[in-house]
Amino acid sequence: GQNIDQPTEMTATEGAIVQINCTYQTSGFNGLFWYQQHAGEAPTFLSYNVLDGLEEKGRFSSFLSRSKGYSYLLLKELQMKDSASYLCAAMDSNYQLIWGAGTKLIIKP
Amino acid sequence: GAVVSQHPSWVICKSGTSVKIECRSLDFQATTMFWYRQFPKQSLMLMATSNEGSKATYEQGVEKDKFLINHASLTLSTLTVTSAHPEDSSFYICSASSEREGYYEQYFGPGTRLTVT
Repeated sequence: GQNIDQPTEMTATEGAIVQINCTYQTSGFNGLFWYQQHAGEAPTFLSYNVLDGLEEKGRFSSFLSRSKGYSYLLLKELQMKDSASYLCAAMDSNYQLIWGAGTKLIIKP
Repeated sequence: GAVVSQHPSWVICKSGTSVKIECRSLDFQATTMFWYRQFPKQSLMLMATSNEGSKATYEQGVEKDKFLINHASLTLSTLTVTSAHPEDSSFYICSASSEREGYYEQYFGPGTRLTVT
């Protein structure tokens, strides 16, 4: 079956770095997405990886290893506004997104 | 960037009535639109996938006669919750898919919060 695993909750300190891991199993693979979702709002797109390696975009970076079925989202210089849920989603061979349950990130001063 | 709108943003209705939610892609043509439901503190749950001009494909456990989806054009899809009950109260989010630079990204609408009393 298709499955996405990511931690339920993480806590980090303002100004620090945090890495949110995601492992996936899908029927075919057309890329790995990361979304940020603040409470009561729809998700917003953060990153997309389809090739192995690290994609850096400002304070956020995303890494993919297709052979391991593994991705992580790295957030640097954490700010209080980064407190949100981070959703990992893998696109299968039918171009459908398979969603993880999300990781709630709590930032403490 | 691509923009998807939803209307209304929030709605309160009485049990037994029907509610229609619109999803529009404002500056691009969406080949596929998706409808999700999200309960508090839970992840997105895909309800159905719709392609313009064809019947929607519903996920297992989603009643197609209760959640009517119409995808009339490449920029508009509607979800009608028929005979709504309090357990249908949820956050409904649509997304529109478009190919960009070789991959299909989903652009989300802002969501519609439905409360059934």
